[in-house]
Order: sequence, then C-alpha cells, then structure tokens
Amino acid sequence: ETGVTQTPRHLVMGMTNKKSLKCEQHLGHNAMYWYKQSAKKPLELMFVYNFKEQTENNSVPSRFSPECPNSSHLFLHLHTLQPEDSALYLCASSQDPAPGGYTFGSGTRLTVV
Amino acid sequence: AQRVTQPEKLLSVFKGAPVELKCNYSYSGSPELFWYVQYSRQRLQLLLRHISRESIKGFTADLNKGETSFHLKKPFAQEEDSAMYYCALKGTGRRALTFGSGTRLQVQP
Repeated sequence: ETGVTQTPRHLVMGMTNKKSLKCEQHLGHNAMYWYKQSAKKPLELMFVYNFKEQTENNSVPSRFSPECPNSSHLFLHLHTLQPEDSALYLCASSQDPAPGGYTFGSGTRLTVV
Repeated sequence: AQRVTQPEKLLSVFKGAPVELKCNYSYSGSPELFWYVQYSRQRLQLLLRHISRESIKGFTADLNKGETSFHLKKPFAQEEDSAMYYCALKGTGRRALTFGSGTRLQVQP
C-alpha cells in the first residue's frame, strides 16, 4: 500500500493500560510527525523525526513516548493516559528539505476511559 | 513564535457564489504557507502552497506579506468544495507545520 498507513483506526484504552500506535509510510520520505487533533482545537504538533532522529518534542508529557526505528516506521507508545488525551492522533511524512507539504495518514481515534 | 489564525469556524455560501477563506499568520521570518483540505471521511490532504503559485480545483491563494495573510479564494463555489480547510505555516529552518484551527466551508445548492 502506498501513502501513510496508521493502525489501529480506533482504540479504546483504560488509564492504566499500555498501548502503541503505529505509522508506516512507503513514500521514501525522510521526515515523520505525530500530531494531536482534539475537538475545537488546532492540530497540535507532538514530535518530529528526521532520518530516525527526533528533532522536535513539543513539550509533550512523558506518558507519550515516540519511537522511530527506521525512516519508514513511527510509533507512539502510550501509558497511564488521562481522559483528556482522547483525540485523533495523526501521523504525517514529508521529504525534507524539498519544499513540499505533508502526506497524512487517516489517524487513530483514541478514547481513554 | 509562529501562529496561524483562521477567524471563521464556519463559512456558508450558495453554489456559484465567490468564496474567500481567511488566514492570517504571525511570523518574523519568511514563511512557507499552505492550504490543506479534509473532505468528509477522507484524510487531510495538501490543496496548494504559496511557492507553487498554482490554481487547484479553481482555488488560488496569494501570500500578502504586508498584511501577513494567505487567504484562499475561488470565484464560483461548487457543492463538492464543502470540506474543512486548514491554513498552515512552515517557518524557516523548521520541518514542522503550524496549523490554524480550520474553517468549515458549506456550499449549499
């Protein structure tokens, strides 16, 4: 499959659970991103990776832990989340430094109960 | 700091009417500006970017550095234009985009 693929599409987890979100891109891009989209809020940047190296952490709480084992895969490990962390989590990729835009995944709808 | 403001949460027009979705930004350097669109049940996708100076699906956007604006325009709206539109900014030397809160465009028949 081409483009950016995110799994799972939906996730419900308790506050004491540990889960992971996965993102995969087959576009040959070298940069990957996690964004959080909450109701009535702009998309919030969480993490930026370039060639597997984390280049930005936008003051994200430590209960969110990213992992980028290679340029094609990006994970977001979740533990002891709060109900306010319920949101749509979007992954995107881009080719940098080319002046292009992002390619987004469909997102994972996370509900913390 | 960089910020993107889209003052309208909802813009409702009739088919055939002109459309202007407003976007203002705050950034001290030379930004790259983008418009993204999300149609119902589809993923967020790039619509156009200011450096390309292109017209996509009849939409155009001009970067006005004096007014720090990047408004999206279309002379005649179509029903299939109904979607959520996001303006985004990329600062110099940064990879990450800063997004506005989005404007929902409703084109009524």
